[in-house]
Amino acid sequence: DAGVIQSPRHEVTEMGQEVTLRCKPISGHDYLFWYRQTMMRGLELLIYFNNNVPIDDSGMPEDRFSAKMPNASFSTLKIQPSEPRDSAVYFCASRFSQWSSGTVRGEQYFGPGTRLTVT
Amino acid sequence: EDQVTQSPEALRLQEGESSSLNCSYTVSGLRGLFWYRQDPGKGPEFLFTLYSAGEEKEKERLKATLTKKESFLHITAPKPEDSATYLCAVRHSYNTDKLIFGTGTRLQVFP
Repeated sequence: DAGVIQSPRHEVTEMGQEVTLRCKPISGHDYLFWYRQTMMRGLELLIYFNNNVPIDDSGMPEDRFSAKMPNASFSTLKIQPSEPRDSAVYFCASRFSQWSSGTVRGEQYFGPGTRLTVT
Repeated sequence: EDQVTQSPEALRLQEGESSSLNCSYTVSGLRGLFWYRQDPGKGPEFLFTLYSAGEEKEKERLKATLTKKESFLHITAPKPEDSATYLCAVRHSYNTDKLIFGTGTRLQVFP
């Protein structure tokens, strides 16, 4: 299995520009998560999807952030316009849900991340 | 409020010097505790899931254990390649799709 694939791996852009990050989850996984990681705040969940439908976007910091999942194999996270404080590593993760004894099982598998620098 | 606290923040070990990392958690009914390893410039790599107090899991030099309030990641006779940041996470009390992550322990093993 190829694992979770993210592109680009590095992105450097100027303040005010639009940035699009891409993610291909592991085939067969029904959940997809977008995270942001910084030294100050650690790993933060931004938004997640179940079967391509956004379930919880309460972690999205501002309206400048948006995410879509048009099909089971692809998701995007867009920042428009970008600001220097958006500089961070953005991770995509996917999970295949299983249930046992009334409890959800299944682990999240992370991609390699996109390091975003906004100047 | 759900919370995960990891200690120590950083740990330096000599090769072969065994030690333990701690993960303390506060949730309303544990529905899974996860350990991940993260190397610089890479995404977190899944290691273990634990569900109930008393449960233990092992992988090579790593052994994870769980009590009702905390989990330990024991590293036996570590090697330099075990150097990484180790992250602990628990499922959110009311939304089990969400994981609450600790800030991690940065482990360095010197030859």
